[in-house]
Amino acid sequence: SQTIHQWPATLVQPVGSPLSLECTVEGTSNPNLYWYRQAAGRGLQLLFYSVGIGQISSEVPQNLSASRPQDRQFILSSKKLLLSDSGFYLCAWSPLDEQFFGPGTRLTVL
Amino acid sequence: AQSVTQLDSHVSVSEGTPVLLRCNYSSSYSPSLFWYVQHPNKGLQLLLKYTSAATLVKGINGFEAEFKKSETSFHLTKPSAHMSDAAEYFCVVSYSGAGSYQLTFGKGTKLSVIP
Repeated sequence: SQTIHQWPATLVQPVGSPLSLECTVEGTSNPNLYWYRQAAGRGLQLLFYSVGIGQISSEVPQNLSASRPQDRQFILSSKKLLLSDSGFYLCAWSPLDEQFFGPGTRLTVL
Repeated sequence: AQSVTQLDSHVSVSEGTPVLLRCNYSSSYSPSLFWYVQHPNKGLQLLLKYTSAATLVKGINGFEAEFKKSETSFHLTKPSAHMSDAAEYFCVVSYSGAGSYQLTFGKGTKLSVIP
């Protein structure tokens, strides 16, 4: 069966510091991968998606970036965090149209 | 363009009574529709999925949803609420584009269950 992992589970970072969140999927190959952010009162916002290694599509302009160095690994990064980057970050994988979500990372930027 | 409207931001029911969470959708073609549940500080879990095979879809934990094309609705129901059902529920429509499927999420309905 397929599983999806995210780490870290929680993170507290100062403004201006870098960020790296990791997502890995097990038990499948060549999945579509997605990064979402869920901010308080703002619902789920799609940040990036990837249909293959090295292929990244950005949905919204921001100071975040994503990379897919391996088939089942998806990384979300920032060089300098802003206060507005605080939120709950969710990674998801998709075999077709439904998506399966990871446990999430709670990021607090102070 | 696809859109989803969840008609209630918050629903409160007593334990053992029926649950109804309402969702209307807009889609330019025959959609795939989903309901997801999210418990506090957890990821989203797929409850059920509609893909035109049957209009009444049964999901996990006793939930079901009925697709009504004439009303463009996909309401989620459960005959008897449990305390563990307290969570936020998202109605979602899927569309394809640029080599992958994208999801459009409703704004969520928070379900409270009163003992």
